[in-house]
Amino acid sequence: NFMLTQPHSVSESPGKTVTFSCSRSGGSIASTYVHWCQQRPGSSPITLIYEDNQRPSGVPDRFSGSIDRSSNSASLTISELKTEDEADYYCQSYDGTNWVFGGGTKLTVL
Amino acid sequence: EVQLLESGGGSVQPGGSLRLSCVGSGFNFGDFAMHWVRQAPGKGLEWVSSLSWDGGIIGHAVSVEGRFTVSRDNARKSLFLQMNSVRVEDMALYYCAKAWGPYHKDGFHVWGRGTRVTVSS
Repeated sequence: NFMLTQPHSVSESPGKTVTFSCSRSGGSIASTYVHWCQQRPGSSPITLIYEDNQRPSGVPDRFSGSIDRSSNSASLTISELKTEDEADYYCQSYDGTNWVFGGGTKLTVL
Repeated sequence: EVQLLESGGGSVQPGGSLRLSCVGSGFNFGDFAMHWVRQAPGKGLEWVSSLSWDGGIIGHAVSVEGRFTVSRDNARKSLFLQMNSVRVEDMALYYCAKAWGPYHKDGFHVWGRGTRVTVSS
C-alpha cells in the first residue's frame, strides 16, 4: 500500500502557470500510472490526465501531466490560468489491489 | 456521448441497507470496467469499489469490505452497489465512473453526477 500526498491549497493569478504535486510514499511513482481529475464546486469530477501524461479528447493542452522519479512524485501543470480553473484537483493511482486518491488541492485563481 | 446516471440514494438508518444503481449509455457497457467513488460532505474523493468488464475481478475498499457488494448486469447496462450494515461514516455522494479499459486497474474516464446517501437515525 502507499499514500498520495497533495498540498492542501494553491493560489495563482490569471494568465500564470501553476504546478500541483502529488507525492507517493511507499513504492516508486513510476510503478503504476498516475491520473488526475478536476472537480469544480458543486460539480462531478472530470478526468484531465490519465496514465501519467495522456489528455482525454476535449481537455485543453493547457493541462499537462508528468512524473519525476527523483522526487517520487507526479505533477499536474496548468498554463495560461483562467478563473474557470478554480477547482479541486485530485491525483489517483492503483496499488495492485485498491485505488488510492490524494487528498486534493484547492486551486484559487485570484 | 458517454453518460452515467446513478440512482437509489436516499436516507437510511444506521445498520440499514440501500442499493445504488448506475445506468450507462453512449458506449458499449459490457466492454469496460466500472468504479464506485464516494465523497463525504466537505471531504475529498474516496474509492469504494471496482468491477472488471465481466464481473470476474472485484475490489472493495477496506472501509466497506464485508458490508458493500458491487455487481453488474451488462445486458441492462447497469452497475450496482449493495450497501448493508450502513454506518454514519458511509454518508456521502456516491459517483459511478466508467473505466478506460476492461479491468478494474484501468483508471477513471467519465464520471456520473452522483447519488446522495444520508445516514441518520
